[in-house]
Amino acid sequence: GENVEQHPSTLSVQEGDSAVIKCTYSDSASNYFPWYKQELGKRPQLIIDIRSNVGEKKDQRIAVTLNKTAKHFSLHITETQPEDSAVYFCAASANDYKLSFGAGTTVTVRA
Amino acid sequence: SAVISQKPSRDICQRGTSLTIQCQVDSQVTMMFWYRQQPGQSLTLIATANQGSEATYESGFVIDKFPISRPNLTFSTLTVSNMSPEDSSIYLCSVELGGMAEQYFGPGTRLTVT
Repeated sequence: GENVEQHPSTLSVQEGDSAVIKCTYSDSASNYFPWYKQELGKRPQLIIDIRSNVGEKKDQRIAVTLNKTAKHFSLHITETQPEDSAVYFCAASANDYKLSFGAGTTVTVRA
Repeated sequence: SAVISQKPSRDICQRGTSLTIQCQVDSQVTMMFWYRQQPGQSLTLIATANQGSEATYESGFVIDKFPISRPNLTFSTLTVSNMSPEDSSIYLCSVELGGMAEQYFGPGTRLTVT
């Protein structure tokens, strides 16, 4: 089955700085890579996703990149704000839509 | 997106008992999923629940322990049977919308087994 590894497990950044979270996947059949943000006590929220036919996608302050050859994808958050503090999960799925999640990254934005 | 609700939002149960969790969506969806999130951990897929067919379970999860129903395109239930303290987790349903693989989660059910 799919194995998704996520790094780092924790990330502390100064407000206004950038944050980068990296994930690798094992199954070459995976073609969909979403990112979820989970605040304490809340449900995971889909914040951005990327498909295997695209190398990069941007939505305001967040962007995702995908390197299919290296089986590697990343989340970039620019101009971080306190409300970006949360746990972020990467995930991967193939045509069966089953999501395999990374272990999560706890992001803390210091004011 | 869709409005997804779960009942109950939380429960405290005694070991050996069973709890049925409900997931309701405000639109018809083909694919629904059940995940478990143990305290401080990531999400693990339990099973896929498609209307009109038996649920398919992931490795480590069995139907006798986690029976699932999917009677129609807007509703599903997950039962946690013969509970032990190790079953204490958050259980979340999700739905796939529009055939584009995007999944949206319900608010979760926080289960504590004593």
